[in-house]
Amino acid sequence: LAKTTQPISMDSYEGQEVNITCSHNNIATNDYITWYQQFPSQGPRFIIQGYKTKVTNEVASLFIPADRKSSTLSLPRVSLSDTAVYYCLVGVPLGGNTPLVFGKGTRLSVIA
Amino acid sequence: EPEVTQTPSHQVTQMGQEVILRCVPISNHLYFYWYRQILGQKVEFLVSFYNNEISEKSEIFDDQFSVERPDGSNFTLKIRSTKLEDSAMYFCASMGTGEGKRNTEAFFGQGTRLTVV
Repeated sequence: LAKTTQPISMDSYEGQEVNITCSHNNIATNDYITWYQQFPSQGPRFIIQGYKTKVTNEVASLFIPADRKSSTLSLPRVSLSDTAVYYCLVGVPLGGNTPLVFGKGTRLSVIA
Repeated sequence: EPEVTQTPSHQVTQMGQEVILRCVPISNHLYFYWYRQILGQKVEFLVSFYNNEISEKSEIFDDQFSVERPDGSNFTLKIRSTKLEDSAMYFCASMGTGEGKRNTEAFFGQGTRLTVV
């Protein structure tokens, strides 16, 4: 599984756009990039997944450059409720017998 | 939206006792997992389960741990003789077929907070 590196923590004010970058220099051809969010005392929750270029859903956007060695999760206009830990995972998407491996994640604190 | 449910939400047990943590995965899912998270640390994989057998397990999942899907709906994690260091949040997760857009998403339960005293 490709190793990922992301900032330990970030702070942001409400209403701002937040970009969290994840480095994954050893990403393999078949690997997808997936982001999960975890609120305190809750289980992780899927946010978004992508393979290349850009993916957007109702919650976030995921930008992946051509070399795929990094990716950026973009959260538009964050609110206090977006305070959470965000995990970048790299691997084959079909969980199945390939379990998700979580790193330490990025702790995002949104300030009023 | 369908969800994974776990019971109990909190469990306090004495060291050396057996505990069983229960999970009801999403009904049409095929892959089931247990993870744990010690306070302040990262989410750690314990075991994955498919087709009524363990498909993969981590080093943490030693002989003290076992999993079972006794009745086609519940998925349980048993810790035979709890130790102080087993205190953690335990999360159950399930996933669909593992293929197709939506089925690569793992759904996690709210967790069981286990405290060993």
